Amino acid sequence: DAKTTQPTSMDCAEGRAANLPCNHSTISGNEYVYWYRQIHSQGPQYIIHGLKNNETNEMASLIITEDRKSSTLILPHATLRDTAVYYCIVRGGTSGTYKYIFGTGTRLKVLA
Amino acid sequence: GAGVSQTPSNKVTEKGKYVELRCDPISGHTALYWYRQSLGQGPEFLIYFQGTGAADDSGLPNDRFFAVRPEGSVSTLKIQRTERGDSAVYLCASGGIIGGELFFGEGSRLTVL
Repeated sequence: DAKTTQPTSMDCAEGRAANLPCNHSTISGNEYVYWYRQIHSQGPQYIIHGLKNNETNEMASLIITEDRKSSTLILPHATLRDTAVYYCIVRGGTSGTYKYIFGTGTRLKVLA
Repeated sequence: GAGVSQTPSNKVTEKGKYVELRCDPISGHTALYWYRQSLGQGPEFLIYFQGTGAADDSGLPNDRFFAVRPEGSVSTLKIQRTERGDSAVYLCASGGIIGGELFFGEGSRLTVL
């Protein structure tokens, strides 16, 4: 499974866009990029996923570079409730398995 | 509620005891995952089921850990001869389609004294 690398922590001002980077240089052609977040003491929550095209939903946008070796999760207008740990995951898709391997994530703190 | 339900929410046990943790997935979800999470770490994959069968159990740390899902719905994670290092939050998640969104429960916090 491809490994992901994320910054340990980031701060963002409330109302500004939060851009969370992720490196996945060993990603293979059939592996998707997923983003989850975990607010303190809760289970992880799905945000978005993509293969190679940029994706947008009501929560966030996902920008994947053309070579697919990195991606950025964008929260367009961060609020205090977006303070959480954000996990970038490359889903294992080889040999028919679909396990999601979480790293240590990026701890995002949204500041008032 | 319609979400993933895990019981118990908290379990305190003594070293060497046997523990069972239960997960009730969202109705109709065929995929079910178990993770464990230690303080300050991301969730660690243990096992996932597709229907009744374990599709990938490569994350189970040793033979003291076992999980079942006999009817393709409720799953039980079983830990024998618990050790202090087993203390963690055990998370369960279910999914409706292959490769789709996973829905996580609130977790079962296990403390081994």
